[in-house]
Amino acid sequence: GAVVSQHPSWVICKSGTSVKIECRSLDFQATTMFWYRQFPKQSLMLMATSNEGSKATYEQGVEKDKFLINHASLTLSTLTVTSAHPEDSSFYICSAEMTGRETQYFGPGTRLLVL
Amino acid sequence: RKEVEQDPGPFNVPEGATVAFNCTYSNSASQSFFWYRQDCRKEPKLLMSVYSSGNEDGRFTAQLNRASQYISLLIRDSKLSDSATYLCVVRGTGFQKLVFGTGTRLLVSP
Repeated sequence: GAVVSQHPSWVICKSGTSVKIECRSLDFQATTMFWYRQFPKQSLMLMATSNEGSKATYEQGVEKDKFLINHASLTLSTLTVTSAHPEDSSFYICSAEMTGRETQYFGPGTRLLVL
Repeated sequence: RKEVEQDPGPFNVPEGATVAFNCTYSNSASQSFFWYRQDCRKEPKLLMSVYSSGNEDGRFTAQLNRASQYISLLIRDSKLSDSATYLCVVRGTGFQKLVFGTGTRLLVSP
């Protein structure tokens, strides 16, 4: 149980395009989902906290107009990187917190390469 | 100062060795503590939660010292499959936010 999927697992795009990443909790409902970014040899950095049916809460320094988050249902959150640039190339990981539980379950991540 | 600090390693140990990792955190109000394992190019996976009384799961033992704001992980009888990066994770300010250390890399050799 407690499986989180992400799609796509990797994406290569041209600079200036937008990329949408999906995060799904497959066998549980997640009131809250989280989006992280990890650059090589660095720790995971929380980008934003996404609550179902409400606006996401962004961490300091994360542009909300560039990283659009939608959490339309209890099993799906999406992150759209708008007008991606090479510096946005990173490993994007989502996690989902089962309602009432403390543990976060991580998706397998999405590798984004912007050329 | 980083909220969660770890020695990045790598720690190179032979199979069967015992190895210990340490982690310090800066926020004294932190409530929950975890060790995660991350394999190369993969997502983190929860290894174990850490409690003040200390807890053990097979070959893995975790300890928390709230007074010193210090967390440890001990791995006994290391296996080749233990090679990974071990992330110290603290639930920071606010109920849900996790703060990750940069990780300690472990390499177990035959």
